[in-house]
Amino acid sequence: GENVEQHPSTLSVQEGDSAVIKCTYSDSASNYFPWYKQELGKRPQLIIDIRSNVGEKKDQRIAVTLNKTAKHFSLHITETQPEDSAVYFCAARRRTYKYIFGTGTRLKVLA
Amino acid sequence: AAGVIQSPRHLIKEKRETATLKCYPIPRHDTVYWYQQGPGQDPQFLISFYEKMQSDKGSIPDRFSAQQFSDYHSELNMSSLELGDSALYFCASSLVVDRVGTDTQYFGPGTRLTVL
Repeated sequence: GENVEQHPSTLSVQEGDSAVIKCTYSDSASNYFPWYKQELGKRPQLIIDIRSNVGEKKDQRIAVTLNKTAKHFSLHITETQPEDSAVYFCAARRRTYKYIFGTGTRLKVLA
Repeated sequence: AAGVIQSPRHLIKEKRETATLKCYPIPRHDTVYWYQQGPGQDPQFLISFYEKMQSDKGSIPDRFSAQQFSDYHSELNMSSLELGDSALYFCASSLVVDRVGTDTQYFGPGTRLTVL
């Protein structure tokens, strides 16, 4: 079946350190992999995404890497700040417009 | 810039009642998605529409139905409500660039449904 595993479920880092969140997907037809940040009671906000024909993408302090062979993709946040504290979700989308979300990672950046 | 609009923002219903949630996508967007998010849970994909046709279905109960209208707005109809239906319901919209490319989802603010 289709599922996306996400690890870790919680992550605490000191301000200024890096944070890494990893996801593994099962559906080999998946071709688009967004990452969302969600604050309590708010809507998910897209922070970065990657297509299946790209191995890495970077946007300032945020980067995503994709290993299609291993069906694995990761979010990297460098120089973390307290305002980065939130729940982060990975997702995988296959061609027919269906997104499967990971179970989320609660990131806490300690000042 | 215009965003996805959802109404109502909050809804309280009794068990076995019906509810209708509405979603107005970003202008020119042709795809709508519905998600259900329980407390502390990840968003669960319910259903999607592309150009007013159902595109894909997820874990949507038979008690729920949805459609996309000619003006691209969408409605999620929920009948015989159960306590477990209490959740945040998000709608998202996107513009499909091509059928194999990316289509960035923009989420609405959500409708919080409480079933008593």
